[in-house]
Amino acid sequence: DAEITQSPRHKITETGRQVTLACHQTWNHNNMFWYRQDLGHGLRLIHYSYGVQDTNKGEVSDGYSVSRSNTEDLPLTLESAASSQTSVYFCASSEYVAGTAIFGPGTRLTVT
Amino acid sequence: GENVEQHPSTLSVQEGDSAVIKCTYSDSASNYFPWYKQELGKRPQLIIDIRSNVGEKKDQRIAVTLNKTAKHFSLHITETQPEDSAVYFCAASKGNQFYFGTGTSLTVIP
Repeated sequence: DAEITQSPRHKITETGRQVTLACHQTWNHNNMFWYRQDLGHGLRLIHYSYGVQDTNKGEVSDGYSVSRSNTEDLPLTLESAASSQTSVYFCASSEYVAGTAIFGPGTRLTVT
Repeated sequence: GENVEQHPSTLSVQEGDSAVIKCTYSDSASNYFPWYKQELGKRPQLIIDIRSNVGEKKDQRIAVTLNKTAKHFSLHITETQPEDSAVYFCAASKGNQFYFGTGTSLTVIP
């Protein structure tokens, strides 16, 4: 069965370190998204991609970057982790740009 | 960009009663409105969606209504059950990205 996975599921890192969160989908979806979820803010878009070599900034992109070298993967990198980036991160993919988004299981990141 | 507001932030109902969650959006070009349910510690999952060419959609105990003129849409859950307890998110999209509301924590009291 097709799925979307994220790794690691839990991560503790120190301020200033570079961290990469992985997202892998086997739906063969062109569209992929990264969100962060914080209490009181819902889901906020960090970056998104409509296909290989395409990346776009979302509403909270500062301090994050992504790259899309193939259809299946959209890794999210925190260049220099900050305590404000402690959050739960969800990756999602969709077949159509305005279609159903399927979410990964999430990664809980703690920056100390 | 789009601004999606969701109310209430918390909602408690007795089992068997109905629950209504409301969202408003700002961009009249938005044309797709999904609703997601997120149980504690789990990922958001789509429960129902509606497109701008439809005013209402129903799936068993769940229904969504859309008023394009007023730019608001609502989720209706009838005959609520304890397993309906979760956080519900609305979203709006106009073809490029999704904008989510801040969520409603629904508690169904047995």
